[in-house]
Formats: sequence, C-alpha cells, structure tokens
Amino acid sequence: DGGITQSPKYLFRKEGQNVTLSCEQNLNHDAMYWYRQDPGQGLRLIYYSQIVNDFQKGDIAEGYSVSREKKESFPLTVTSAQKNPTAFYLCASRKPGTGNTIYFGEGSWLTVV
Amino acid sequence: GENVEQHPSTLSVQEGDSAVIKCTYSDSASNYFPWYKQELGKRPQLIIDIRSNVGEKKDQRIAVTLNKTAKHFSLHITETQPEDSAVYFCAASFLAGGTSYGKLTFGQGTILTVHP
Repeated sequence: DGGITQSPKYLFRKEGQNVTLSCEQNLNHDAMYWYRQDPGQGLRLIYYSQIVNDFQKGDIAEGYSVSREKKESFPLTVTSAQKNPTAFYLCASRKPGTGNTIYFGEGSWLTVV
Repeated sequence: GENVEQHPSTLSVQEGDSAVIKCTYSDSASNYFPWYKQELGKRPQLIIDIRSNVGEKKDQRIAVTLNKTAKHFSLHITETQPEDSAVYFCAASFLAGGTSYGKLTFGQGTILTVHP
C-alpha cells in the first residue's frame, strides 16, 4: 500500500477550473485505476489502464480525463465539464497475474468552492 | 456490466457477537470477490478475498463464503471487537489471466459499529 502516492491530499477547485490529481506507484504494477467515492457511498470506477499508453473508460468517465505516459504514473484531470466533482478520489494499482489484489493509495479530497 | 448489492447498510452489534454482511452479484462470469475495510477518511484495506473455485475461506476471526449458484457471498466476523468498527465493502471482478483488467465493482458498503 505504501508504494502508491497520491497528491495533493486536499484540493479546492473553483467552478470552471480544471484540476489534476497525481498518482504515482513504485510497485511495478501494470494496471492502475481511479475510483470516486461520495460520502456514505461505495466506490465507482472512473478510468483504468492496463499498460502504458492504454486506458479505458469506467462507469462514470464523463467530465474526467487521464493519461498513462509512464508505467508509474496515472494522473486524473477533473475538468470543468464534471458538474459535481466534490468527492474523495482513490487511485489504485494491481500486480500482474497472480493474486490480482488491488491496492489503494491514501486518496485525495476534492472540494468545489 | 456487473452490479453488486450489499446488505445491510448499517449493522450494530455488541462486542463479542458475530457480524454477517451479505452481497449478491449479477454477472455469472465474475470469479474474484474481495472484501475491504475502510476507516473514516482512510483508504480501503483488503481484509480477505475468495475465488470462485473455493466455497469458503477463513482467516482468524474473519471468514468469507461463496455460493456461485445463487451468486452471493458473505463476510462473517466472529468475536467482534470495537476496533472492527468501520465501513466494509464487498466487490466482484472477472479475472482471465494476464490479460484481465481486473477492475472491481463495489457494493454500497456496510457501516459496522461494535459497542463495548
């Protein structure tokens, strides 16, 4: 778990602004994921990536964008098109093959002001 | 796509009692079912998982059972302690070797409160 670093921990966004959440992992995991968690709710998948330069939309991709230029990095941009972005954002990664356990970063809190 | 339903949404027990949380899934192709524990403001932590070729798995006070025919799985916590208080999430995924994305679909969560 300690090998997945998310930043910033807390972020405030003005309406109409784009913001980017950073996710870096040093676990040599191929697959990476972004989940959104609203208060009292479960986790919903935004985007996921299996390898460098490849990513797929999850269940709630509208208003978000990602890139995967390096294996270690999977940044998430919350665009102004996302109408209700206030939430807890969790990045995760998964070891290839074997156990397929997903490990989470510590999360980023995004608030629109 | 996969849909996971989790019940109950809240569960209150006395210390030492057992707690059971149940989940159902919709996609019969799902073959991997982890459970996560999340404390307030923190990341989810994996506590136990089970694959579809196994009916039950146990780890100390925690056990998970899977009924593939009925498409449901359950988390059992025995001898509960106050530190077990947290939100618990079930999830389901389809794994197909190295090519699988392994993306998880989560239930809505259960708030477990263990009273001393």
